[in-house]
Amino acid sequence: DAMVIQNPRYQVTQFGKPVTLSCSQTLNHNVMYWYQQKSSQAPKLLFHYYDKDFNNEADTPDNFQSRRPNTSFCFLDIRSPGLGDTAMYLCATYWVGSETQYFGPGTRLLVL
Amino acid sequence: GNSVTQMEGPVTLSEEAFLTINCTYTATGYPSLFWYVQYPGEGLQLLLKATKADDKGSNKGFEATYRKETTSFHLEKGSVQVSDSAVYFCALSSYSSASKIIFGSGTRLSIRP
Repeated sequence: DAMVIQNPRYQVTQFGKPVTLSCSQTLNHNVMYWYQQKSSQAPKLLFHYYDKDFNNEADTPDNFQSRRPNTSFCFLDIRSPGLGDTAMYLCATYWVGSETQYFGPGTRLLVL
Repeated sequence: GNSVTQMEGPVTLSEEAFLTINCTYTATGYPSLFWYVQYPGEGLQLLLKATKADDKGSNKGFEATYRKETTSFHLEKGSVQVSDSAVYFCALSSYSSASKIIFGSGTRLSIRP
């Protein structure tokens, strides 16, 4: 029944230790997004894929990378997490013409 | 550029009270407007949307009307419940960049039994 799935829901990592967050979708939407949401703030767009085309936001740190091997899956790689990367990471999908983004439940990342 | 301004929180109400959360926007063209809700520890869920002027979005007792003349999209509910406690985000997407959403800063709502 779930349409946008994120794994894991909770992730604890150490400062500087690479981490990968996963998102999958059953909607067959052509656009997928990654957002970072810090406590009590609005989600901040990191990047998105339009099909296979990668679009990086200008202020997204180089430490954040993404992969989209196929329509269904998208990964967020944080190469060397810092304490400031502790946040909720949200994946969303979109179908051109639907005007609605569908969000996953998020992965809460804690960097120690 | 496009932006969304919404009422600062937190907002605390008693159960069965009337709710209004104000939202105004700045945009070129004809944006679509949304309210998203985020329950504690969860992702965002679309609550309602309106895609053109004078449209009313409604869901779960919540309503918002797209007012182009006042560039507003205020969220209302006639009788809130404890289960409505959450953070509410007003948002827009514009025709010029239809795949991106601009969020307001969010309003935390707490309902007392």
